[in-house]
This record gives sequence, C-alpha cells and structure tokens, in this order.
Amino acid sequence: LAKTTQPISMDSYEGQEVNITCSHNNIATNDYITWYQQFPSQGPRFIIQGYKTKVTNEVASLFIPADRKSSTLSLPRVSLSDTAVYYCLVGDSSNDYKLSFGAGTTVTVRA
Amino acid sequence: DSGVTQTPKHLITATGQRVTLRCSPRSGDLSVYWYQQSLDQGLQFLIQYYNGEERAKGNILERFSAQQFPDLHSELNLSSLELGDSALYFCASSVAYQGRLSEQYFGPGTRLTVT
Repeated sequence: LAKTTQPISMDSYEGQEVNITCSHNNIATNDYITWYQQFPSQGPRFIIQGYKTKVTNEVASLFIPADRKSSTLSLPRVSLSDTAVYYCLVGDSSNDYKLSFGAGTTVTVRA
Repeated sequence: DSGVTQTPKHLITATGQRVTLRCSPRSGDLSVYWYQQSLDQGLQFLIQYYNGEERAKGNILERFSAQQFPDLHSELNLSSLELGDSALYFCASSVAYQGRLSEQYFGPGTRLTVT
C-alpha cells in the first residue's frame, strides 16, 4: 500500500478556503485516493474519492496532478463546523482492508 | 445518519469480563469492518467480514473475536478485558466494488470503558 503523508494540523478562519495536501509517492496504478472527515467521538465520514485530475462534489474538491504522487483536498469557504480530522487514504478494492487511517490532519476553523 | 447501527452506545465493565458489541450494516452492504480507536493510537483496523466470511484481520488481539451472521449483522466479542481495551469501537460497512476503493460508512460507535 502506498504510504501517505499529510500535515498534522492546519488552522483557518471562517469563510476561507482550506487546502490539505497528501503525499503518496508510491501510489500504484490501480490505487484510488479517498478522503474521510471525522468529528470527535464520531465515526469517519466519506468525503470524496478520485483517480486522476479533478473531482468535485457538494462539499469538496479533490485535485490530483498527472503524476498522482500527491493530491489536494479543497474545502471551500469553511465554517466552524468543518473543524475536524481529515484522513487521506490510498488503495484499491483488493487491499481496502489494509488501509490505515493514520493520524490525519486536524483542521481548526476559527471565527 | 450513515445507516449503520451499533449497540450499545456505552458500555462500562470490569477487568476480566467479556462483552459483545453489535453492528447492523447498511441495507445491501455485504462487507463489515471493525475498528478500535483509542486516544493514543488513532483508528486501528481489527477485522473485516464479507458476506459471512472472514476476509481480513488487522491488529486484532487473540482475546477478541468476531462473526458475521446470515442476516449480515456482525458481533465483536471482547474477553478477558483489560484497562487498555477502553476505547471507541466502530463498525463500518460497504458495498464491494471491483477496482476502486469502497466507501465505508461508519456507525456511531460503542464507547467501552473498562474499570
């Protein structure tokens, strides 16, 4: 499985855009990139998944460069309720049970 | 609401005891995963079942066991409990996809406190 590296923490203010970059230099051809969000004492929640280029849904965008060695989760106009831990996972269906959620990135949004 | 249910929400028990945690997956999901999350160790994968069969084991202790029943609900059994087993236990379910990663839907968790 590709090892992922993401910042431990990030601070932001309400209304700003937050970009979290995840490095995955050893990503395999079949691997997908998935992001989860976790609030304290709750289970992680799926945010977005992509394979290449750009994916956008109602809550976030995921940017993946051509070499796929990194990816950036973009949260537009964050609010206080976006304060959470964000996890980057890389893998495919054959090894999803080996995925490690790691420490994630703690995003703190301030008023 | 993810559609995954877990019972009980809270459990307080003594060292040496045995407990059973229950999980009902989302309708239609065949895969069930169990995770343990403690303050100092993050989210640790324990075990996965797919359509009643054990598919993979992670960092699951021998004192722990699990099963998935024909109706697809799953139980995690924790025995000879120790203080260090105090944690949040999450169950997740997913549809199995070919190729891409399955989206895992997590339940609300069971908070186990061992005293």
